[in-house]
Amino acid sequence: KAGVTQTPRYLIKTRGQQVTLSCSPISGHRSVSWYQQTPGQGLQFLFEYFSETQRNKGNFPGRFSGRQFSNSRSEMNVSTLELGDSALYLCASSLGGQLEQYFGPGTRLTVT
Amino acid sequence: GESVGLHLPTLSVQEGDNSIINCAYSNSASDYFIWYKQESGKGPQFIIDIRSNMDKRQGQRVTVLLNKTVKHLSLQIAATQPGDSAVYFCADSGPSGGYNKLIFGAGTRLAVHP
Repeated sequence: KAGVTQTPRYLIKTRGQQVTLSCSPISGHRSVSWYQQTPGQGLQFLFEYFSETQRNKGNFPGRFSGRQFSNSRSEMNVSTLELGDSALYLCASSLGGQLEQYFGPGTRLTVT
Repeated sequence: GESVGLHLPTLSVQEGDNSIINCAYSNSASDYFIWYKQESGKGPQFIIDIRSNMDKRQGQRVTVLLNKTVKHLSLQIAATQPGDSAVYFCADSGPSGGYNKLIFGAGTRLAVHP
């Protein structure tokens, strides 16, 4: 069974731009969660989607948004990029309930 | 690969020794705990999980111990191998007990020396 895939793997953007990251969960998994990882703040929860609905949200500004499609694929969008948004963005999928999450390799976003 | 954390605590062990990685959590209402391993340039990899109604769970070469009284979690790795070198994170379900919202610890870097 294929693992979680994320595209693109690397991205360089300029301050003020917006970016869209994509995540394809493991086949059959209906929950997708997004995390931001930085050396200073570690791994922080952004939001979680299940059956196209956002079920949980972390403490990030409204510039961070996401959505989930009917095939469980998910995208996250960051608008008006700031230098501090530079991070590894990780997507994780699970079957649905409070079960173990399986992470993708991440998208490395660099904002200049 | 990219560094996961520049100033993480490091545990150095000899190949073949047992490793114990510790983690403290803050919320007594958390009912689900999980350990992940992250190698450089990769996403976190699931190792083992435990629910709050248990105090010990064993996997292949790994054991997780949960002490709810002092809100402490540990990961024991038997016969540590060079391939175990990575950053290890504990995570818990957090104050809301919300589905799939994990609160991660800062991580511990495990360095295995031959």
